[in-house]
Amino acid sequence: NAGVTQTPKFQVLKTGQSMTLQCAQDMNHEYMSWYRQDPGMGLRLIHYSVGAGITDQGEVPNGYNVSRSTTEDFPLRLLSAAPSQTSVYFCASGRGVNLPLHFGNGTRLTVT
Amino acid sequence: AQTVTQSQPEMSVQEAETVTLSCTYDTSESNYYLFWYKQPPSRQMILVIRQEAYKQQNATENRFSVNFQKAAKSFSLKISDSQLGDTAMYFCAFMKQAPGEGAQKLVFGQGTRLTINP
Repeated sequence: NAGVTQTPKFQVLKTGQSMTLQCAQDMNHEYMSWYRQDPGMGLRLIHYSVGAGITDQGEVPNGYNVSRSTTEDFPLRLLSAAPSQTSVYFCASGRGVNLPLHFGNGTRLTVT
Repeated sequence: AQTVTQSQPEMSVQEAETVTLSCTYDTSESNYYLFWYKQPPSRQMILVIRQEAYKQQNATENRFSVNFQKAAKSFSLKISDSQLGDTAMYFCAFMKQAPGEGAQKLVFGQGTRLTINP
């Protein structure tokens, strides 16, 4: 049982490039979400999904796309990377409402 | 919208001492959950403790306990007999109770960087 797996661990992009951050969970959790962590600001919700085929925006969705074609996977796409997207990104999943979320180990993204 | 505030950006104590981390929140909800997460240098997010707002009894987990004051909207974390392995960033977080919009979403505070010195 690997839990929540994020790849890659580190990534450097140039402004304007696109990429996909991968997130997979093997706990059969319906709820999945993406957060970004910036110094002094804690973690902020980007997008979330309550089940396959259902996604919605969080607090800071601009510049990011998501899709949820399977229960297990919830990739985060950066369409045209900007320096403001330099951050640490966390994927999290949840077994049920109001239960604690399980987090992946994060992806550190630098956009130059 | 809910907000969570951690007013102590950094704290430092000696090993074996007791330390209390502060957290206040703002919400119009009556039913919700509060969490403390620990983030060591490995970057992993680890759940420390969870409190249901409808419970008056403060949650405890071994050396970790909370002081939950619902009327004051305060949720502090006390670490007793602190250990070097407690060195980490600590985040306070809020979650609305289901059903309804916002359930399952965590709203985080800014974090407190705690250092335990030998």
